[in-house]
Amino acid sequence: ILNVEQSPQSLHVQEGDSTNFTCSFPSSNFYALHWYRWETAKSPEALFVMTLNGDEKKKGRISATLNTKEGYSYLYIKGSQPEDSATYLCALTGTYKYIFGTGTRLKVLA
Amino acid sequence: DVKVTQSSRYLVKRTGEKVFLECVQDMDHENMFWYRQDPGLGLRLIYFSYDVKMKEKGDIPEGYSVSREKKERFSLILESASTNQTSMYLCAGGTGYEQYFGPGTRLTVT
Repeated sequence: ILNVEQSPQSLHVQEGDSTNFTCSFPSSNFYALHWYRWETAKSPEALFVMTLNGDEKKKGRISATLNTKEGYSYLYIKGSQPEDSATYLCALTGTYKYIFGTGTRLKVLA
Repeated sequence: DVKVTQSSRYLVKRTGEKVFLECVQDMDHENMFWYRQDPGLGLRLIYFSYDVKMKEKGDIPEGYSVSREKKERFSLILESASTNQTSMYLCAGGTGYEQYFGPGTRLTVT
């Protein structure tokens, strides 16, 4: 069974701080890796999907990198804002199925 | 704008009741998924469907069944609700490359 692990489980940062989280996965059987942001009372929202080793994606202050050979992805948030507070999920996909990590819960303090 | 809707945001049912959770997508996607989310466990796949009338068990199908009579609708059925099925249920539609989530149904079984 594929295991996708995320760390840390939760963290609090001050407004303006930059932060990053990790998603680890087995490096074999890789097809694509997804990052989602899940705000309270809303649907999970897709941030990035990456497929190639060395992929880097950026959306505003948020960026992500992928290393398929060593089995990890990093999500970075530059200059965190209170509206960044959410749970960040990563997921590994195969043919149909998505395997989700347990998420990193971020709280940005004003 | 793609849309996945779920019939209820909050639901309270009694132990032993038959429960239907409905999900509708307007994206014409073949694949649809039902997950549950519990604290510390992340999103776990219950069932998925890659075509009308087709269904596949996910990682935790026990106590659940599904129905996909039309492409846009995927129903999750709890044949006899139990307290350990109290959870947040999320439906998603998509492809192997992307998924779009509904807003979730928080089910409480008393």
